[in-house]
Amino acid sequence: GESVGLHLPTLSVQEGDNSIINCAYSNSASDYFIWYKQESGKGPQFIIDIRSNMDKRQGQRVTVLLNKTVKHLSLQIAATQPGDSAVYFCAATNTGNQFYFGTGTSLTVIP
Amino acid sequence: DVKVTQSSRYLVKRTGEKVFLECVQDMDHENMFWYRQDPGLGLRLIYFSYDVKMKEKGDIPEGYSVSREKKERFSLILESASTNQTSMYLCASRKRALGETQYFGPGTRLLVL
Repeated sequence: GESVGLHLPTLSVQEGDNSIINCAYSNSASDYFIWYKQESGKGPQFIIDIRSNMDKRQGQRVTVLLNKTVKHLSLQIAATQPGDSAVYFCAATNTGNQFYFGTGTSLTVIP
Repeated sequence: DVKVTQSSRYLVKRTGEKVFLECVQDMDHENMFWYRQDPGLGLRLIYFSYDVKMKEKGDIPEGYSVSREKKERFSLILESASTNQTSMYLCASRKRALGETQYFGPGTRLLVL
C-alpha cells in the first residue's frame, strides 16, 4: 500500500512571503502526485500535479518539487496572499484507481 | 470546467435511518469515488467505480454500499446510519487515463444523531 504524510499540521506565513509545504510518501511505485487546496466548507480543489518522470513543475505562483530518492514532495507558493489560507494536502497513486492522501497542512496567511 | 455536484451540503439523520448521498459529474468521467474526511485522518476511500454497474471496495467499505446505474451518477448508501458515520463525505471523478487527476464535489457534511 501507500502512506502519505505531511510534515507540519499548521503553517503561518506573512503576506508576501513564500510558503513551503512538505509531504512524504512511502511507496516507491507511486508515479503520480497531486496537490490540493481545501478551503473551509468546500471540497478539495486541484492545484498542480507532477508525474514521476519529472522533478519540478511550475504553475501560476506554485511550484511542486519531487524527490524520488527520499520519497518527498513539496509545494511552494510564491508571494503568499490571504486568499491562499486553506488546508493543503498531497495525494499519491500508482494505479489511478486508489489515491492516498495526506492529512493536510493548514496554512494561515498573516496580513 | 469539470463539475462534480453532491445532492446535499448538510444532512442530519437519526441512528438506524437509511441515507442516500448522490453525486453527479458532467464530464463523462469513467471513474468515480466516495471518500470520507475526518480530522486527523485525511481522506479515506470508501468505494470507487470504474464504469457503469462496476464497483470496488476501498479501505473502509463496512456499513456502506454504492450504486452506479448511469455513468454520470454515483450514489453512496448508508443502510443503517450509525453515529460513527458522522463525517464529511466527498465525491470525486476522473477520466480513466494515466496522469489524470481527481476532481471533487463540495462535500456533504452528515451528522448522525
